[in-house]
Amino acid sequence: SQKIEQNSEALNIQEGKTATLTCNYTNYSPAYLQWYRQDPGRGPVFLLLIRENEKEKRKERLKVTFDTTLKQSLFHITASQPADSATYLCALYTGGFKTIFGAGTRLFVKA
Amino acid sequence: NAGVTQTPKFRVLKTGQSMTLLCAQDMNHEYMYWYRQDPGMGLRLIHYSVGEGTTAKGEVPDGYNVSRLKKQNFLLGLESAAPSQTSVYFCASDGIQGTYEQYFGPGTRLTVT
Repeated sequence: SQKIEQNSEALNIQEGKTATLTCNYTNYSPAYLQWYRQDPGRGPVFLLLIRENEKEKRKERLKVTFDTTLKQSLFHITASQPADSATYLCALYTGGFKTIFGAGTRLFVKA
Repeated sequence: NAGVTQTPKFRVLKTGQSMTLLCAQDMNHEYMYWYRQDPGMGLRLIHYSVGEGTTAKGEVPDGYNVSRLKKQNFLLGLESAAPSQTSVYFCASDGIQGTYEQYFGPGTRLTVT
């Protein structure tokens, strides 16, 4: 069956370190992959999109990689801050106006 | 520019009752979506619309109906609520060519007892 996997365990890191979150998927060949941020009690907010022919995308302190051979995306936050604490969702566009979302990984950045 | 708004924010229903969730967007987006989010699961698509007057089924459409009579509004209806429909419901929209970025509303927390 088609599946997206994100680490269900929370990631705890110290302020200033780089946070790395993983998204693995099976049985898809997505045209692009997105990352969203979700704070408690709020809707997801779009962060970055990376296309299948792109290896890496950056935006300020954020970096996303996309390996279609491994079927994996890595999401990095450099120089992390307590304000980066949130749940981060991976999402794949599967065609026909449909996007599949992972369950998300909770990130805690300690001051 | 309010973006995507949802009403109500919270609701408690008894089994068998009906209700309508309203989603409105002021960005002139063509595409609108209804998702539900349950603990430990990703957002799951209930229904979507690719334009005014159109609707289509998503991954989990059973027990829900939708209407898109106006471009800016997308309504989600529960005709006979069941405890399995206890969830947080999110509406989203997109339509900016080439970005595929979905804009989400703040969510509606629904409890069915």
